[in-house]
Amino acid sequence: DQQVKQNSPSLSVQEGRISILNCDYTNSMFDYFLWYKKYPAEGPTFLISISSIKDKNEDGRFTVFLNKSAKHLSLHIVPSQPGDSAVYFCAATDYGGSQGNLIFGKGTKLSVKP
Amino acid sequence: DTAVSQTPKYLVTQMGNDKSIKCEQNLGHDTMYWYKQDSKKFLKIMFSYNNKELIINETVPNRFSPKSPDKAHLNLHINSLELGDSAVYFCASSHGGWTNEQFFGPGTRLTVL
Repeated sequence: DQQVKQNSPSLSVQEGRISILNCDYTNSMFDYFLWYKKYPAEGPTFLISISSIKDKNEDGRFTVFLNKSAKHLSLHIVPSQPGDSAVYFCAATDYGGSQGNLIFGKGTKLSVKP
Repeated sequence: DTAVSQTPKYLVTQMGNDKSIKCEQNLGHDTMYWYKQDSKKFLKIMFSYNNKELIINETVPNRFSPKSPDKAHLNLHINSLELGDSAVYFCASSHGGWTNEQFFGPGTRLTVL
């Protein structure tokens, strides 16, 4: 039973354009969401996060939007750069109950073409 | 400086063997984790240790056992390896707190023949 779903296994975008990566979740107890980025042969690295008390968090070219009623979040990258090509994992946690137990989606492979 | 390191990076072994994967973090974090990324690419939590106490133990076989000699290390021991144990295993660490930003090691690719 996938509690965190990333339904697009891959996404291809032209350099300079916007990349939008989507994530859906089923557990209404989740109250904190994170995006991780992973290059081949490396571990995931933290990118950006958002608490359920917010609907938007921005960090440079990266913005995460949260729609609690739809149980949906998205990561926007503007402008996209070739170095952004990686696998992006959405993760969620119910901090109060799970003590840091992150539930990950399956990942979306982003390719940014020059 | 490597924040979270794992050894070995690759491990190829026969079914039935016992093996260990080591993990060390130099971030001063108080919680460490082991994840398994299977062939379907799902990253799933296996264990976490906080101040030398196991606080999460997902439904993994008891052939897998985490060992934490100190706060900076969390090693993973696997007994009687099976074909289905083939996966990439990631160690991670975090500072206790609600942000849950976890820092991951580079992964260990385990292949059981």
